Amino acid sequence: EIVLTQSPATLSLSPGDRATLSCRASQSVHSYVAWYQQKPGQAPRLLVFDASNRATGIPARFSGSGSGTDFTLTISSLEPEDFAIYYCQARSNWPPEITFGPGTKVDLK
Amino acid sequence: QVHLQESGPGLVKPSETLSLTCLVSGGSISSSRDYWAWIRQPPGKGLEWIGNVYYNGGTYYNASLMSRLTMSVDTAGNHFSLRLSSVTAADTAVYFCARRGYSSSRYYVDSWGQGTLVTVAS
Repeated sequence: EIVLTQSPATLSLSPGDRATLSCRASQSVHSYVAWYQQKPGQAPRLLVFDASNRATGIPARFSGSGSGTDFTLTISSLEPEDFAIYYCQARSNWPPEITFGPGTKVDLK
Repeated sequence: QVHLQESGPGLVKPSETLSLTCLVSGGSISSSRDYWAWIRQPPGKGLEWIGNVYYNGGTYYNASLMSRLTMSVDTAGNHFSLRLSSVTAADTAVYFCARRGYSSSRYYVDSWGQGTLVTVAS
């Protein structure tokens, strides 16, 4: 079973700042990591898959990187609508579980 | 673009059975390319995968819920369902239905319902 940890738990930043979020897997997941954004009262939204591929319609200020066990989601310049919780998820071949990290909250400093 | 919509009671009594349905529109639940999933989120907490169902009825459940869980699919009605028995307050959560790819290359969730809050209380 793959366990995901995310750090920091909370990131307090201002609009225009750069946000760097970390996700670490308990074993290698190659490049099979996805990132989601969740705003209060909403369902999560897929941002990035395969570590670095932006999903359809996701702005270029969101970028992902990493491989193996260490992954990063970077928001180059925070917009007001980017203050939210971000979750990572790694691939599980079999069984086809969907396992999320505990999340990082990006809030207003 | 596929659209998912949950429906079901918002309040369930302890020890009873929670039942939810997810209607799929804009796509076919009979697609061999997709798993249909339930994911829940207790208030103020993170996301917990409940299970997946495939168009042929095949299921994969979270081991911690397996003994209480039944998921099914209705291809004629283009919807899938969740039944969770013997609920307690710990099952209070927002329940999301979602779509995950069947192939290992589509391991991520690319479509979500809006979520429905289910409260377990007497």
